[in-house]
Amino acid sequence: GAGVSQSPRYKVAKRGQDVALRCDPISGHVSLFWYQQALGQGPEFLTYFQNEAQLDKSGLPSDRFFAERPEGSVSTLKIQRTQQEDSAVYLCASGAAGGTEAFFGQGTRLTVV
Amino acid sequence: QKEVEQNSGPLSVPEGAIASLNCTYSDRGSQSFFWYRQYSGKSPELIMFIYSNGDKEDGRFTAQLNKASQYVSLLIRDSQPSDSATYLCAVTPNRDDKIIFGKGTRLHILP
Repeated sequence: GAGVSQSPRYKVAKRGQDVALRCDPISGHVSLFWYQQALGQGPEFLTYFQNEAQLDKSGLPSDRFFAERPEGSVSTLKIQRTQQEDSAVYLCASGAAGGTEAFFGQGTRLTVV
Repeated sequence: QKEVEQNSGPLSVPEGAIASLNCTYSDRGSQSFFWYRQYSGKSPELIMFIYSNGDKEDGRFTAQLNKASQYVSLLIRDSQPSDSATYLCAVTPNRDDKIIFGKGTRLHILP
């Protein structure tokens, strides 16, 4: 596709449930970023891939969060045993190369009840 | 110290005037600088990027970078009501290529 595609757009999870969020980057883009955005805040960095290599996962808030990009294209962000504080919009962005501009998908709004 | 700092606003500017948005960053070795616009309920949209000291103009938008002062700004000329949004400053630190965002400045253009 022409842009970054994220699915699902909305997800309601019961506390304790595991969720998986998908990101399909722009074709050929090397860099892929995941961010968490709470209401009224800027995007908070979670993790960053170049191709299939996860170069930085320093922003993942706990070991319940896990991200992968096994073939250097589609990425999945998994959250285990969801908690209410995980409720946020999760944004994925891709870029043609490291250090260059990144383009965002529409985000996944996660609500944990 | 927060890596990217922005005044949260709101910044109110009359229609047709120049809106000036400012951002400071902490990592002196930062390489790349971006401005994104985010409408309520939407994802961030890239407006400008700048890599070198000085000014870069694109239509009504001008990005200004001063690496010595660790300062980047965005000027919007002839402000329109449709420019009302949150503007996010973002920076790529020197050590790696992750992009770090500020909290954003809310801009309100008064008709």
